[in-house]
Amino acid sequence: KAGVTQTPRYLIKTRGQQVTLSCSPISGHRSVSWYQQTPGQGLQFLFEYFSETQRNKGNFPGRFSGRQFSNSRSEMNVSTLELGDSALYLCASSLGASGGGNTIYFGEGSWLTVV
Amino acid sequence: KNEVEQSPQNLTAQEGEFITINCSYSVGISALHWLQQHPGGGIVSLFMLSSGKKKHGRLIATINIQEKHSSLHITASHPRDSAVYICAVRSPGNQFYFGTGTSLTVIP
Repeated sequence: KAGVTQTPRYLIKTRGQQVTLSCSPISGHRSVSWYQQTPGQGLQFLFEYFSETQRNKGNFPGRFSGRQFSNSRSEMNVSTLELGDSALYLCASSLGASGGGNTIYFGEGSWLTVV
Repeated sequence: KNEVEQSPQNLTAQEGEFITINCSYSVGISALHWLQQHPGGGIVSLFMLSSGKKKHGRLIATINIQEKHSSLHITASHPRDSAVYICAVRSPGNQFYFGTGTSLTVIP
């Protein structure tokens, strides 16, 4: 059974550009969540989707957005990139909605560098 | 103040030693997770707890809801256990809060 797949794994963008990251959850999983990890702030929760609906959102500006498709694949978008957006972006999936007794499975992450 | 505090931040142990990592939290929770992150970024969920104790191989996780405290124990530590261990809590409002992690190095 394939794990959580994130693409691209590495990318470099320029300040002011936008970026879209993709996440394919484990087959059958309907919940996808996104996290940002930086050396200074550690891991931070971005948002979570279940059945194409955003269920909750962390404390990030509106430049960070996401969506989930009917096949449970998810994308997150960051517009008007800033140097501080350089981070490892992690996606995780779980079988059911969050809050239930569901184990979460992480992808390998997308390393974003903003120059 | 962080919602989740971990200690110690760094830990070096000899192979075979018993290791304990502590996690204290200040918010109400629906579940607490222990995560393991190896160099390169990949994260593995070790345990999800809402009460009591869980064991998986050499790893044991406990939680005391009244004291808002959890511990992760590793028995007979091995160099392959070297990683960053992260405590995370999910609130009833479905927000996720993370500790800053404990960097463990096990020396052969």
